[in-house]
Amino acid sequence: EAQVTQNPRYLITVTGKKLTVTCSQNMNHEYMSWYRQDPGLGLRQIYYSMNVEVTDKGDVPEGYKVSRKEKRNFPLILESPSPNQTSLYFCASSLSPPGLATFLDSGELFFGEGSRLTVL
Amino acid sequence: GENVEQHPSTLSVQEGDSAVIKCTYSDSASNYFPWYKQELGKRPQLIIDIRSNVGEKKDQRIAVTLNKTAKHFSLHITETQPEDSAVYFCAASTDNYGQNFVFGPGTRLSVLP
Repeated sequence: EAQVTQNPRYLITVTGKKLTVTCSQNMNHEYMSWYRQDPGLGLRQIYYSMNVEVTDKGDVPEGYKVSRKEKRNFPLILESPSPNQTSLYFCASSLSPPGLATFLDSGELFFGEGSRLTVL
Repeated sequence: GENVEQHPSTLSVQEGDSAVIKCTYSDSASNYFPWYKQELGKRPQLIIDIRSNVGEKKDQRIAVTLNKTAKHFSLHITETQPEDSAVYFCAASTDNYGQNFVFGPGTRLSVLP
């Protein structure tokens, strides 16, 4: 089954304790990205990756890191979490970047189920 | 960078009525405009999208219109049903490799039986 898998789905942690949210897709997608969802603010892009070893900042990258060592995996790293990073996080992937879709690929983003993070 | 506004933030309609959600964008280079639906506790899922070379696209009860001159696009849902209740997000993107893919803040649609 084609899917994007995130772990953990729920996490409560304390300020300053490093954590990693994993994301894996089995669709051989080139493009992967991370979003955080906060009430009234919609989905804001944190980082995205065009392909292996190619990552770039989105709109709200402060306090986050990512890596793309393998095509299928795109972990989100919070080196020193703070309470303002309490949020619902979504990983997403698509065959090609949304704006570069072709006749064969709509540019649809496939989202994981989300990871709810609470930083105390 | 791109900025996407979305209105209204909440919308309640009677079952069977139509619902319209409007979005405006700021970057005239944007060329791809998808709409995502997020049911309560679920992940967002694409329901329809439109490209800048098309003015309107329809898929059963859902349609999207685009006015590039005015930089706005709208989602139209006809004959609404309770299962249409969800949060809807519009987004805009340019063909700059992955950049400037921005979501609007969302509209919570409630379809009342």
